[in-house]
Amino acid sequence: SQQGEEDPQALSIQEGENATMNCSYKTSINNLQWYRQNSGRGLVHLILIRSNEREKHSGRLRVTLDTSKKSSSLLITASRAADTASYFCAFSGGYNKLIFGAGTRLAVHP
Amino acid sequence: SAVISQKPSRDICQRGTSLTIQCQVDSQVTMMFWYRQQPGQSLTLIATANQGSEATYESGFVIDKFPISRPNLTFSTLTVSNMSPEDSSIYLCSVEGGRLTDTQYFGPGTRLTVL
Repeated sequence: SQQGEEDPQALSIQEGENATMNCSYKTSINNLQWYRQNSGRGLVHLILIRSNEREKHSGRLRVTLDTSKKSSSLLITASRAADTASYFCAFSGGYNKLIFGAGTRLAVHP
Repeated sequence: SAVISQKPSRDICQRGTSLTIQCQVDSQVTMMFWYRQQPGQSLTLIATANQGSEATYESGFVIDKFPISRPNLTFSTLTVSNMSPEDSSIYLCSVEGGRLTDTQYFGPGTRLTVL
């Protein structure tokens, strides 16, 4: 299957802690994107990292990409209860089609 | 980013009927896509909606079951035909292109329940 793999499947932390989610893929990619989904609603785009980039920051988010290992990670620092959601990586190998990872369910407890 | 709307936001339908989902974006985009998210699962691409020509379907999805229209650069519809309970899912459209380079933005989704 071309679907990306994410781990952990579920993550439970306390407010203020950091959350790290990992994504792996099997094909060559043009870019990799991370999305958040709250309670089965639409996806919110978080960050895009291109294949020639190694790290990107956006607010409390930090994304890394290691093309040699075909993996990416999303770090959320100083988590808040409002960060509770499912997080998906999605990669594009061509023709703009996105292939999604299985997702990580993050629960942040006050 | 783009403002993307979908109608309806949710629906409950009877087996054997069809439902058409609309996707409207506030700017012209090159690419529009339709995804399905089955309960508790990730997203799977159904098809690429091509403006002025037939949609391009992914393996496992066929036009008779999921006819798609794209009459212009800001609008597309997905029909779920002859529905069965297995079609209960969230259906999402996404857009890319125009002034939205590389990044795909998603609509709020349509939650479909088939009884």
